[in-house]
Amino acid sequence: NAGVTQTPKFRILKIGQSMTLQCTQDMNHNYMYWYRQDPGMGLKLIYYSVGAGITDKGEVPNGYNVSRSTTEDFPLRLELAAPSQTSVYFCASSYLGNEQFFGPGTRLTVL
Amino acid sequence: GENVEQHPSTLSVQEGDSAVIKCTYSDSASNYFPWYKQELGKRPQLIIDIRSNVGEKKDQRIAVTLNKTAKHFSLHITETQPEDSAVYFCAARVVDGNEKLTFGTGTRLTIIP
Repeated sequence: NAGVTQTPKFRILKIGQSMTLQCTQDMNHNYMYWYRQDPGMGLKLIYYSVGAGITDKGEVPNGYNVSRSTTEDFPLRLELAAPSQTSVYFCASSYLGNEQFFGPGTRLTVL
Repeated sequence: GENVEQHPSTLSVQEGDSAVIKCTYSDSASNYFPWYKQELGKRPQLIIDIRSNVGEKKDQRIAVTLNKTAKHFSLHITETQPEDSAVYFCAARVVDGNEKLTFGTGTRLTIIP
């Protein structure tokens, strides 16, 4: 099993550009999550999903959108990137809300 | 919603000594309390967890204790080693059908050789 994979690993965006962060898991987990981690800080929940077709907002959803068309994939969309979105983004998955398995992260810089 | 406070934010201990990190939570409905370790530049990984029907859990040099009445839980690392240096996050989950974790702000543990 590859576990949770994320692409890209690094990305630099200009203000106002858009992009999609990809997240895939092969563990057949029903729950998936997106977090952002600012330098030296903790993890803040952006969006989460309890199953295909179901998504909900977390603590910091503004400026982001998600979709969950399959069990495996949970992409995060950034529209109109802003410097405040410079962060490391982690995707995670879990079975029934138990141990969360994290992906390797995407380091995003918005200039 | 749930609020998790974690202390201290930084901790330095001599190799071989013990380290203790404490967290408090606000929602008495929380019933699952994991601890994650994040090494520099890496992803967070679960090291131990405890559920509200248990007061203590141990795994080799790592132990977690839970006091439901006081709404706090602690991570104990004994016989610390250089590879224990990392950032540690506590978290709490309220079983309300949404299965979200609320994380503490993290403790940077440094083991001094």
